[in-house]
Amino acid sequence: GENVEQHPSTLSVQEGDSAVIKCTYSDSASNYFPWYKQELGKRPQLIIDIRSNVGEKKDQRIAVTLNKTAKHFSLHITETQPEDSAVYFCAASNHGNQFYFGTGTSLTVIP
Amino acid sequence: DAGVTQSPTHLIKTRGQQVTLRCSPKSGHDTVSWYQQALGQGPQFIFQYYEEEERQRGNFPDRFSGHQFPNYSSELNVNALLLGDSALYLCASSLGPSVGFDEQFFGPGTRLTVL
Repeated sequence: GENVEQHPSTLSVQEGDSAVIKCTYSDSASNYFPWYKQELGKRPQLIIDIRSNVGEKKDQRIAVTLNKTAKHFSLHITETQPEDSAVYFCAASNHGNQFYFGTGTSLTVIP
Repeated sequence: DAGVTQSPTHLIKTRGQQVTLRCSPKSGHDTVSWYQQALGQGPQFIFQYYEEEERQRGNFPDRFSGHQFPNYSSELNVNALLLGDSALYLCASSLGPSVGFDEQFFGPGTRLTVL
């Protein structure tokens, strides 16, 4: 089955700096890669996603890049703000079949 | 527009008991997936229901079973509870074949504690 690895497990950045979280996957059949933000005690919220026919997608301060050849994808957050502090999870799926999640990255934005 | 809802919010059970968790999908969604999230870990896929049938299943024992009703709501049943079943159980809904089953939206979860 699919194996998703996520790095780093913890990340601290100064407010205004950029943050990058990286994930790798093993199954070349995976074609959908969402990113979720989970604040303490709350549900995971979809913040951005990318499909395998696209190399990059942006939504304001958030961007995701996908390298199908290397089987890795990354989340980029620019101009970080304290409210960006949360746990971020990447995931991979094959046409919405089983979703495989990474182990999460705890992001802390220091004011 | 109602989002994904789950009940109950919290539940405390003892080892060996059985539990039923409930989920109502986001309005317009017809597919429900269940996940187990242990503390400090990512969600682990349990199974997915579409058209009242189990469509996909993760690596969970038969003690975990489910059901989907004609109105698309779903139940997760866990029998013979173990201490290790203590976790946050998340339900996620999505559209089915029309968009390839992706774009899942999560409910708030049910926190299960097994004593």
